[in-house]
Amino acid sequence: AQSVTQPDIHITVSEGASLELRCNYSYGATPYLFWYVQSPGQGLQLLLKYFSGDTLVQGIKGFEAEFKRSQSSFNLRKPSVHWSDAAEYFCAVGPGRRALTFGSGTRLQVQP
Amino acid sequence: DAGVTQSPTHLIKTRGQQVTLRCSPKSGHDTVSWYQQALGQGPQFIFQYYEEEERQRGNFPDRFSGHQFPNYSSELNVNALLLGDSALYLCASSLERSGETQYFGPGTRLLVL
Repeated sequence: AQSVTQPDIHITVSEGASLELRCNYSYGATPYLFWYVQSPGQGLQLLLKYFSGDTLVQGIKGFEAEFKRSQSSFNLRKPSVHWSDAAEYFCAVGPGRRALTFGSGTRLQVQP
Repeated sequence: DAGVTQSPTHLIKTRGQQVTLRCSPKSGHDTVSWYQQALGQGPQFIFQYYEEEERQRGNFPDRFSGHQFPNYSSELNVNALLLGDSALYLCASSLERSGETQYFGPGTRLLVL
C-alpha cells in the first residue's frame, strides 16, 4: 500500500530565510509525486510534480523539490520565504491518473 | 480558462439527512475524482469517475455514491449523514489521455449537526 509521511506538523521560519519541508513516501513502483499548497479555507494548488527524468524539479512561486529514490524522499525547498508563503503544504503520491495518497500536511508560519 | 468549480461552497445538514455536492471539471478535462479532507488532515480519496463510470474507489462506505454526466460534470451524494462526515469535500479533474496531474477545486465545506 502506498503512504506518505510528512514528519513536520508545523514549521515557523523568518521571512527571507530558506525553507525545506520533508516528505517520505512508500510506493511499490516508480511514483508520481506532487506538492500542493492550501491557503486557509481554499482548495489545493499544484506547486510542482515529478514523473521521471531530472530529479530536481522546479515549480511555481520559486519552489523546487528533489526526488531521492534511495531515501524515498521528495523534499520541498525554497531559498527565500515570503510572508505570502504561509499556508499548509501537502505531499502526495500516486500511480498517475488514479487515486492520490496525501500526507497529513505541514503548516508553515512565516515570521516578519 | 475556467478551473474546477464546486457548489455549494458551504452547507449545514443534520444527522440522517442526505446531501448532494456538485463539481464542474476544468475545461477539456474528462476525469473527476472526489476527496474528503477532515479538519487538520490531508485529503482522502473517495472515488474517481471516467466515462460516466466509477472506476476506482477508496475506503468509504456505500453511503457515499456519485455520478458523472455526459458533460463530464459530477455529483457526490452522501446518505444517512453522520457527524463524522463533516469535512471539506474536494473535487479534482484531469485529462485521461495525458493527465497524470489532478487539479483541485475550492471545495465544499459540509457541517453535520
